[in-house]
Amino acid sequence: GDSVTQMEGPVTLSEEAFLTINCTYTATGYPSLFWYVQYPGEGLQLLLKATKADDKGSNKGFEATYRKETTSFHLEKGSVQVSDSAVYFCALETQGAQKLVFGQGTRLTINP
Amino acid sequence: GAVVSQHPSWVICKSGTSVKIECRSLDFQATTMFWYRQFPKQSLMLMATSNEGSKATYEQGVEKDKFLINHASLTLSTLTVTSAHPEDSSFYICSADASRGSSSYGYTFGSGTRLTVV
Repeated sequence: GDSVTQMEGPVTLSEEAFLTINCTYTATGYPSLFWYVQYPGEGLQLLLKATKADDKGSNKGFEATYRKETTSFHLEKGSVQVSDSAVYFCALETQGAQKLVFGQGTRLTINP
Repeated sequence: GAVVSQHPSWVICKSGTSVKIECRSLDFQATTMFWYRQFPKQSLMLMATSNEGSKATYEQGVEKDKFLINHASLTLSTLTVTSAHPEDSSFYICSADASRGSSSYGYTFGSGTRLTVV
């Protein structure tokens, strides 16, 4: 079945550091890919998405590029802030399935 | 934008009682809603897909009789945890697909319900 694998956390960085959270997937067809963020005690918020190969999703300084050749959707940000501390989930939606499959989540902590 | 409201945000109940969690789409109609369960420091596990006017579709391993789902209108789905036990304690999150019509927000999530069974 379809699956998503994220780099294990937790990840701890200093403010203004460069961030990469790896995400790879296994899916049939052409899935849509997503990054969601979950702040403490809250539900998930869509951070960015990409629906086809080579698409780049971006939001709030975060970026991720849909790489079909490497089946990856790594999340990057050039300069993180304390307010970026949260849990980040990579997810896919199989074409036509109307169902999200989530990775295990990566907890990110940014220290001032 | 597309907003999903989930209530209550937290609830404590006694073992053996039932608890109802509501999920409402506030500014769009949701023919399909999803219920997830999240264990501490773990990912979201899809429990069931709730379809307006029909029976929910449960994922493998989820007890239908314990987790009752009702989706009686285009804006409301409810999850009832029946005869709750401490092992049912978890964070429950609902989601709705808001990608139809004029919106393109895709899946929108509620803020979650922290259930503690004592």
